[in-house]
Amino acid sequence: GAGVSQSPSNKVTEKGKDVELRCDPISGHTALYWYRQRLGQGLEFLIYFQGNSAPDKSGLPSDRFSAERTGESVSTLTIQRTQQEDSAVYLCASSLTGGNQPQHFGDGTRLSIL
Amino acid sequence: AQRVTQPEKLLSVFKGAPVELKCNYSYSGSPELFWYVQYSRQRLQLLLRHISRESIKGFTADLNKGETSFHLKKPFAQEEDSAMYYCALSGMGGFQKLVFGTGTRLLVSP
Repeated sequence: GAGVSQSPSNKVTEKGKDVELRCDPISGHTALYWYRQRLGQGLEFLIYFQGNSAPDKSGLPSDRFSAERTGESVSTLTIQRTQQEDSAVYLCASSLTGGNQPQHFGDGTRLSIL
Repeated sequence: AQRVTQPEKLLSVFKGAPVELKCNYSYSGSPELFWYVQYSRQRLQLLLRHISRESIKGFTADLNKGETSFHLKKPFAQEEDSAMYYCALSGMGGFQKLVFGTGTRLLVSP
């Protein structure tokens, strides 16, 4: 594809519901990142996938958050029992091999918890 | 541990004034440093990287290993430079995580 694609672009849900966010990286990119961006705040690292290595989950804020990636393709970020503080834009980025390669970002998913 | 510090949340200047967005880092090895930019209603994108030693949109950044800094500079700010700027760090070589600072919002007023 032309770039990193994220869906849905907007998601509004009630507190306590589970949500699943999707990221389609650029084809051939082995590295994939998830970030959270709260209103008026900077980027908050969540999780990093690199090829078939074990993901770096050090940024996940609680055990309600989880993410999966199948090989070097699509990734899903799942938030269980959503809370109002989960409201944010969730950004996905991919890069060719991670680290020193430029990251290409998607448009993000704007998540609003009522 | 890798850490990137951007001490200013907001930097407000007038058009034509010089701009310096500060970035300090902590890393035990040889780092690679980047600046990313997010203009209003656009995707976050790479602005420049220290290894390229290039000037993009009039911006330059020099890696100062002694001061562990990678400040972003432009001699004459333009209104279209208003955006969110993020400094980021990685170790040399691939397969390493990129760590971002918290960002500085640059506001250039006419």
